Amino acid sequence: GAVVSQHPSRVICKSGTSVKIECRSLDFQATTMFWYRQFPKKSLMLMATSNEGSKATYEQGVEKDKFLINHASLTLSTLTVTSAHPEDSSFYICSAMGGAETQYFGPGTRLLVL
Amino acid sequence: QKEVEQDPGPLSVPEGAIVSLNCTYSNSAFQYFMWYRQYSRKGPELLMYTYSSGNKEDGRFTAQVDKSSKYISLFIRDSQPSDSATYLCAMSDITGNQFYFGTGTSLTVIP
Repeated sequence: GAVVSQHPSRVICKSGTSVKIECRSLDFQATTMFWYRQFPKKSLMLMATSNEGSKATYEQGVEKDKFLINHASLTLSTLTVTSAHPEDSSFYICSAMGGAETQYFGPGTRLLVL
Repeated sequence: QKEVEQDPGPLSVPEGAIVSLNCTYSNSAFQYFMWYRQYSRKGPELLMYTYSSGNKEDGRFTAQVDKSSKYISLFIRDSQPSDSATYLCAMSDITGNQFYFGTGTSLTVIP
């Protein structure tokens, strides 16, 4: 089956620093990747949709200058949380889609900003 | 009205019980229907995927789609403690350009 990896799985950083999270589709080419944020006991919240080679489309209320998304290739998308603050602490999940069928999710990255 | 409605539970059942999880939706354009299972502190994993109406069975899991009622279900037979997780329904239209998720139902299977 399709496999999506995320790195790192867990990161702790100081307030004000930037953190980059990688999302890779390991055995298929992902034309579209999605970035989600999940708060405790809440469902997934879509942050942005990225298509390879073009700018990401951000959902309403998501700051594009704070959450930088780069989808440089068909197997890699990155999310950079710039100048992270404690309120950015969350579980970030990516998913990848190769066709019009369904999404395959990465294992998630837990970010803790001190 | 939300695009997708799902009872968050929590749902608690004894081992061996049949579990029924449901979602309703409002957009008649939805064609792809999915169920994800998410264990605590993990990313969601695709459990079942169906296109349009009908049933699909995979082991102890059966997914049902009733487009006329805009209602989808996931049945788990002979439930096991390892089935304890949050189950998310998701759906999209034919383009697959956007997915809509339910809030997830938390299930606990008691040994």
